[in-house]
Amino acid sequence: EDQVTQSPEALRLQEGESSSLNCSYTVSGLRGLFWYRQDPGKGPEFLFTLYSAGEEKEKERLKATLTKKESFLHITAPKPEDSATYLCAVLSVRSWGKLQFGAGTQVVVTP
Amino acid sequence: DADVTQTPRNRITKTGKRIMLECSQTKGHDRMYWYRQDPGLGLRLIYYSFDVKDINKGEISDGYSVSRQAQAKFSLSLESAIPNQTALYFCATSESDKGAGNTIYFGEGSWLTVV
Repeated sequence: EDQVTQSPEALRLQEGESSSLNCSYTVSGLRGLFWYRQDPGKGPEFLFTLYSAGEEKEKERLKATLTKKESFLHITAPKPEDSATYLCAVLSVRSWGKLQFGAGTQVVVTP
Repeated sequence: DADVTQTPRNRITKTGKRIMLECSQTKGHDRMYWYRQDPGLGLRLIYYSFDVKDINKGEISDGYSVSRQAQAKFSLSLESAIPNQTALYFCATSESDKGAGNTIYFGEGSWLTVV
């Protein structure tokens, strides 16, 4: 069974204090790893898809990386508007097009 | 306008009542999904449909039913609502599998409270 574990559960940062979120996964053949951002009471917003180990993608202050067992979402010099819950999800060869989500990391950036 | 629209956005209902959550999309995607989100449990798949004639149960389908009325419309019903179905519900869509993993796009969510 595919499993996705995100850590930490919650992260409090000062504005400008860079940090990383972790997404560990166990899947039977990874087809894609997805990162989403979710604001309170809103639907998850797609950020990145990573397909193979060694791949990296960037968007503004966010950078996602992928290894064979985990993915990191690096937040560089965060701003208060980066406060959100970040969700990781995996798609495997056995999942028939269905994503398996982690529980998320809630990030709060204070001025 | 949102590409994935859910109605109602908020609903309070009583135990035992039937309630329907509706979803429509303008993205032209074949695949549609209903997820439930509870604090600390993440997103869990209730039902999914890969085309109009295809309906499949997800990991938590008990107590729910769905109808795919058209490519763009996918509704979720709670036949007899119970308090532990109080949650935030999301409709989502994706393209047919292109072979390298397909991105899922979410609606804004429907808050359902069962009292």
